[in-house]
Amino acid sequence: AQSVTQLGSHVSVSEGALVLLRCNYSSSVPPYLFWYVQYPNQGLQLLLKYTTGATLVKGINGFEAEFKKSETSFHLTKPSAHMSDAAEYFCAGLLNKAAGNKLTFGGGTRVLVKP
Amino acid sequence: KAGVTQTPRYLIKTRGQQVTLSCSPISGHRSVSWYQQTPGQGLQFLFEYFSETQRNKGNFPGRFSGRQFSNSRSEMNVSTLELGDSALYLCASSLVAGTNSPLHFGNGTRLTVT
Repeated sequence: AQSVTQLGSHVSVSEGALVLLRCNYSSSVPPYLFWYVQYPNQGLQLLLKYTTGATLVKGINGFEAEFKKSETSFHLTKPSAHMSDAAEYFCAGLLNKAAGNKLTFGGGTRVLVKP
Repeated sequence: KAGVTQTPRYLIKTRGQQVTLSCSPISGHRSVSWYQQTPGQGLQFLFEYFSETQRNKGNFPGRFSGRQFSNSRSEMNVSTLELGDSALYLCASSLVAGTNSPLHFGNGTRLTVT
């Protein structure tokens, strides 16, 4: 079955440390992929989107994601965590491009940033 | 440009009642999608509308319905509410569908069913 999987429901990092959030997809063809962030009591904000042919995608707030077709992965990283990065992060994929905007979301990873 | 606006932000309803949620997309966006977010099930697709036509429907019972108006504004309705319908309902809009044109989300309507 087509799916998006995020490894780790919770991640704790120290301020200034690397943030690495893992996302893998299962799809017959590479899907359109996105990373969203959700702050408490808010909706989802787009961090970045995969662009066909690119391997490294840069997003807002210093985040970037690397697409690896061989590993069916789209991991999100940020070199240096800031307190304001504490939030929940969702990887999402448009796994069936003929199905309009039906996004499939991973389970989310909640990031805690320690001072 | 104004973002996606959802009203109301909070709702408390009783089991058996019905509820209507409203969504105004970003100006110029013709695709509107609805998602349900719960702690147990995560984010799940409800349905999508494009030019007043429902293009896609998720795996939800018929109690969940929606519609889109000619100005692209959308409403979703849940009838005969159940406790399990308590959730954050998110609306998202995009220029087109089925591409890497990203979805822009509103802040959601938090529905509590008692």
